[in-house]
Amino acid sequence: QQQVKQSPQSLIVQKGGISIINCAYENTAFDYFPWYQQFPGKGPALLIAIRPDVSEKKEGRFTISFNKSAKQFSLHIMDSQPGDSATYFCAARGGSYIPTFGRGTSLIVHP
Amino acid sequence: SAVISQKPSRDICQRGTSLTIQCQVDSQVTMMFWYRQQPGQSLTLIATANQGSEATYESGFVIDKFPISRPNLTFSTLTVSNMSPEDSSIYLCSVGVGDGEQFFGPGTRLTVL
Repeated sequence: QQQVKQSPQSLIVQKGGISIINCAYENTAFDYFPWYQQFPGKGPALLIAIRPDVSEKKEGRFTISFNKSAKQFSLHIMDSQPGDSATYFCAARGGSYIPTFGRGTSLIVHP
Repeated sequence: SAVISQKPSRDICQRGTSLTIQCQVDSQVTMMFWYRQQPGQSLTLIATANQGSEATYESGFVIDKFPISRPNLTFSTLTVSNMSPEDSSIYLCSVGVGDGEQFFGPGTRLTVL
């Protein structure tokens, strides 16, 4: 049973546009929600993370929006660049080091 | 943060053979993890490797197929035994640091013929 549902599976955006990736979780015990960025041939790298005591966290062009009541969170990439082309994984974790990962979103930003 | 290296970065192996993947971390960490990532797929946890104790395997993974060693706080190995083409995948080492953030190594891309 998938505990973190991620959509869309793939996303194509024009340079300068906004990329939005959505995730939904089921386990209310989750208390840490990281996003990972993975380039081809590389391991996933922590991009940005949020805890449920805030509704939004912004780091540069990357923003996480969090809706605790709806059990949903999303990643927004503003002014998307070709260098942002990668696979993005959302994850959720509670009480241990072991997160549950979403299925991933392949993002392509066209120049 | 933590800097993680893995060896080999990639390998092509014959079915029935075994491959040992090494993971080295630049600092001492309590918890290390091994993941498998099949092409275009998400990350699947194989096992948690804690120093000084037996590895804890997730459902669907067994010690005979994926023996793990954790001789100290900076090193671990994962062996993929008696390989078949279905074992072709990327194998990732990761560590948990601080308040639980996970950092991943670059991965080992395994192809089994």
